Amino acid sequence: GDSVTQMEGPVTLSEEAFLTINCTYTATGYPSLFWYVQYPGEGLQLLLKATKADDKGSNKGFEATYRKETTSFHLEKGSVQVSDSAVYFCALLHTGANSKLTFGKGITLSVRP
Amino acid sequence: DAGVIQSPRHEVTEMGQEVTLRCKPISGHDYLFWYRQTMMRGLELLIYFNNNVPIDDSGMPEDRFSAKMPNASFSTLKIQPSEPRDSAVYFCASSLNQGAGQPQHFGDGTRLSIL
Repeated sequence: GDSVTQMEGPVTLSEEAFLTINCTYTATGYPSLFWYVQYPGEGLQLLLKATKADDKGSNKGFEATYRKETTSFHLEKGSVQVSDSAVYFCALLHTGANSKLTFGKGITLSVRP
Repeated sequence: DAGVIQSPRHEVTEMGQEVTLRCKPISGHDYLFWYRQTMMRGLELLIYFNNNVPIDDSGMPEDRFSAKMPNASFSTLKIQPSEPRDSAVYFCASSLNQGAGQPQHFGDGTRLSIL
């Protein structure tokens, strides 16, 4: 079955540091890939997405590229801010009426001033 | 535009009581999902609906849990009787369809504490 693996956390960075959060997946075919972010006390919000190989999703300075050859969708940001402190989830979705979103376990990011 | 609306935001009740969580999906969305989030188990899909019809309830923990969607704009998740191990944050989410790149939109959740 489908699965998503995220790097172990938590991650603590200083403000303006470079961020990489690894995500790899196991799935047949060409699923859509997503990054969701969850701020304290809130629900998950879509951060960015990609629907086919070599697509790059981007939003709020975050980027991730759909790499079919390495089955990866790593999240990057050049300069993190304190306000980026949150939990980040990688997820995949096959198209189709009865498909389900498969989430990774999530990783907590803390950014120090 | 209004997002997914859940109520109540917080619920504290005693073991054995019935608990009802409510969700209003985004208008026009065909899919509705119920999730549970705990520190130990992370995010778990409990059940989802397509056009008000339950499609997959394999994630519902046991018979104490039930979910309904009487119309396109309302769904409930009920726990009866409740137990302390049901304490968690319960999220409702909706999506337009299951096409490529279609995201799920989450509500802010109900934080449930069973004493």
